[in-house]
Amino acid sequence: KQEVTQIPAALSVPEGENLVLNCSFTDSAIYNLQWFRQDPGKGLTSLLLIQSSQREQTSGRLNASLDKSSGRSTLYIAASQPGDSATYLCAVNSGYSTLTFGKGTMLLVSP
Amino acid sequence: DAGVIQSPRHEVTEMGQEVTLRCKPISGHNSLFWYRQTMMRGLELLIYFNNNVPIDDSGMPEDRFSAKMPNASFSTLKIQPSEPRDSAVYFCASNAHSYEQYFGPGTRLTVT
Repeated sequence: KQEVTQIPAALSVPEGENLVLNCSFTDSAIYNLQWFRQDPGKGLTSLLLIQSSQREQTSGRLNASLDKSSGRSTLYIAASQPGDSATYLCAVNSGYSTLTFGKGTMLLVSP
Repeated sequence: DAGVIQSPRHEVTEMGQEVTLRCKPISGHNSLFWYRQTMMRGLELLIYFNNNVPIDDSGMPEDRFSAKMPNASFSTLKIQPSEPRDSAVYFCASNAHSYEQYFGPGTRLTVT
């Protein structure tokens, strides 16, 4: 059974810092990995999708990497802003489109 | 596109009552997913439909939970009878063949 772990559970940084969120998974036989953002009381917003054949994906200040063999992914956020404050969720697709989620990293960026 | 639409957004009910949650997926998407989110367990997949057919319902907690998808634009998740431990946020998501899932805003269910 696939298990997804996210470290750290919470992170607080001052505005402008570059930061890295970590995600690890136990079964490397994945189809893809998706990073989401969730604001308090809201739904999930898809940030990046990395296919198993890819090493990284970039969108604006966000860069996600994937090392399938070691069961790891990182989400890099450059020049963080207070508007980046949210919970970031990593989800692994191990087949048939079903996602297994980590518990998330709660990020707070202070001005 | 309006995105995935869920209703109601909030539901408060008493233990023992029937609860029905509704979802309209994004037009053209052929897969629909129901998830439940709690503080203790995080996000868990309950059931998954492909082309309106249930494919994997192994996440449905027990027989009190049932889900239907009568057509490509509508799905329901029903809890009967409801219990306080069912209190959670229930999300519906859909996707097409790209596998990128799009989530609705969720229904916050409180069972007293």
